[in-house]
Amino acid sequence: GAGVSQSPSNKVTEKGKDVELRCDPISGHTALYWYRQSLGQGLEFLIYFQGNSAPDKSGLPSDRFSAERTGGSVSTLTIQRTQQEDSAVYLCASSPPGQGIYGYTFGSGTRLTVV
Amino acid sequence: QQQVKQSPQSLIVQKGGIPIINCAYENTAFDYFPWYQQFPGKGPALLIAIRPDVSEKKEGRFTISFNKSAKQFSLHIMDSQPGDSATYFCAASWGGGGATNKLIFGTGTLLAVQP
Repeated sequence: GAGVSQSPSNKVTEKGKDVELRCDPISGHTALYWYRQSLGQGLEFLIYFQGNSAPDKSGLPSDRFSAERTGGSVSTLTIQRTQQEDSAVYLCASSPPGQGIYGYTFGSGTRLTVV
Repeated sequence: QQQVKQSPQSLIVQKGGIPIINCAYENTAFDYFPWYQQFPGKGPALLIAIRPDVSEKKEGRFTISFNKSAKQFSLHIMDSQPGDSATYFCAASWGGGGATNKLIFGTGTLLAVQP
């Protein structure tokens, strides 16, 4: 596609519910990243995929957070038993082969609100 | 040691002014320092980046100044325009993109350029 696509763009959920956030990277981009942007905070790294593998998941804040990537393309970030502190904008980025951090293209994000 | 500290949190300048945003880091292993620009409702986009072997880099109206000994770098926007109004993030990383694939972001600066 022309850019990184994230869906939904906005999600309001009740505390305790599970949510799934989707990221469609740019076609051909082998690397995919999830970041979280909380109000007044910078972007916080969550997880990095190379192909379908996640060599770095060090930023996932708790075991309620998980992510997968299938077919070397679409990725889903799942948050179980959502809490109010999970409210944030979740950003996905992808990068072409061999470019890593130098080739980030971010999507517009999913704004998650937990009420 | 992993933090990047950014200031100010917000900034208002008149059209034509030169806003300056500053960042400081501790980790001397950092070797890549990008600046990202984010408009409301959009993901961050790479604006300009510098490596520690140069003290200054210019791209159009945007200039990065880098002080390796002080572990500080800053973004200057020459002849600022209302269209430059956005949130600016500094970031840092290390390992030439191979050892790591994540960026450490500052907390952002909300810039408003008044007509």
